[in-house]
Amino acid sequence: EVELLESGGGLAQPGGSLRLSCTASGFTFNIYTMSWVRQAPGKGLEWVSFVNPSGTTTYYIDSVKGRFSIYRDNSKNTVDLQMNSLRAEDTATYYCTRRTVDSGGMDVWGPGTTVTVSS
Amino acid sequence: DIVMTQSPDSLAVSLGERATINCKSSQSVLSRSNSKNYLAWYQHKPGRPPRLLIYWASTRVSGVPDRFNGSGSGTDFTLTISSLQAEDVAVYYCQRYYNTPWTFGQGTKVEIK
Repeated sequence: EVELLESGGGLAQPGGSLRLSCTASGFTFNIYTMSWVRQAPGKGLEWVSFVNPSGTTTYYIDSVKGRFSIYRDNSKNTVDLQMNSLRAEDTATYYCTRRTVDSGGMDVWGPGTTVTVSS
Repeated sequence: DIVMTQSPDSLAVSLGERATINCKSSQSVLSRSNSKNYLAWYQHKPGRPPRLLIYWASTRVSGVPDRFNGSGSGTDFTLTISSLQAEDVAVYYCQRYYNTPWTFGQGTKVEIK
């Protein structure tokens, strides 16, 4: 079964750090672009970052550039999101997603992990 | 910034009736190189992750009921649910993925009248 499972969410203080991890199973991980999408409480969906299949190309939404970094390990079928200098506005449920193999939409989503940034 | 604007923000439709959601991009999502519209539609129910329904503006994902249809090109797109079922109650989002940022619309909440 094709599956993504996030971990690493929790409570962090403003200015602190968290590292989210996503473990993939049931598909050939190293041919897919992977991304993170978040949803703040009561808000809509917001794409955060993606990494290409080889891990050589990454993109970020402006609001996290310089603070977040996305990494993938194709030997372990994982994609991580390192989040530094956290702000209250980073509070959200974070979803790990897979892009379709033909570079379409995001066809597989994990259940999500919750990040709360608060003192 | 590229903006995706959905209309309406919410709608209530009777069971078996048609629901229509519009999505307008501030920039075209049509690629001249492959003539594809880089536009997707998602369904999001509370407590569950979003579900991809449609991509390339009109390609239905395997397993998605054929009452869900996507249309449009360039900057204007529509998601139509031809005969609303109770299980279709959700928030629906359009999303552009032509280039970054992959922007979502603000969402349209669909309810039963």
